[in-house]
Amino acid sequence: AQSVSQHNHHVILSEAASLELGCNYSYGGTVNLFWYVQYPGQHLQLLLKYFSGDPLVKGIKGFEAEFIKSKFSFNLRKPSVQWSDTAEYFCAVNARNAGNMLTFGGGTRLMVKP
Amino acid sequence: DGGITQSPKYLFRKEGQNVTLSCEQNLNHDAMYWYRQDPGQGLRLIYYSQIVNDFQKGDIAEGYSVSREKKESFPLTVTSAQKNPTAFYLCASSIGPGAGTDTQYFGPGTRLTVL
Repeated sequence: AQSVSQHNHHVILSEAASLELGCNYSYGGTVNLFWYVQYPGQHLQLLLKYFSGDPLVKGIKGFEAEFIKSKFSFNLRKPSVQWSDTAEYFCAVNARNAGNMLTFGGGTRLMVKP
Repeated sequence: DGGITQSPKYLFRKEGQNVTLSCEQNLNHDAMYWYRQDPGQGLRLIYYSQIVNDFQKGDIAEGYSVSREKKESFPLTVTSAQKNPTAFYLCASSIGPGAGTDTQYFGPGTRLTVL
């Protein structure tokens, strides 16, 4: 069975700092990869996704993620965070032969100090 | 206005009572899902349905039941057999099976507290 690990459970940054959130998965086959974000009081929203092609994926609000197949990783990055990026971030993986089933990581709670 | 609606937003129930959470979508999606979110554990799949009148157990189906009589509706019943029902419940939908690049979209969630 596939699993997803997000090693940083809580991250605290000051505004304008750079962000990188780790995501590793365990599955040897072809995968689709997702990052979702949950802002305080709001529902889970899709931040970006990777299905194929360029391993560097750009999403909304200046976020990007890089798929490194050899490392089974899909880390999320943003060069300069804002207070409004305070949220919980979830990495999710879908194995291509598992239909549409998503496996989620445990989430990373990001707090950005103004 | 298209999307996924879940009601109610907050729900309180006494221990031993069954409770049904509503999920409706007007996106014309075939597939629907129920997840449970607990702090530090991410989202865990309870049940999913790829098409009307069909549904499958997810990773943590014990103590839950679902029905899929209509394409737009996928209610979840939390039964008294669920040992730890207090949680945040999220419903999602996606275009459906065969879409190898399918993306799930989520509702606002229902926070269930069992007293």
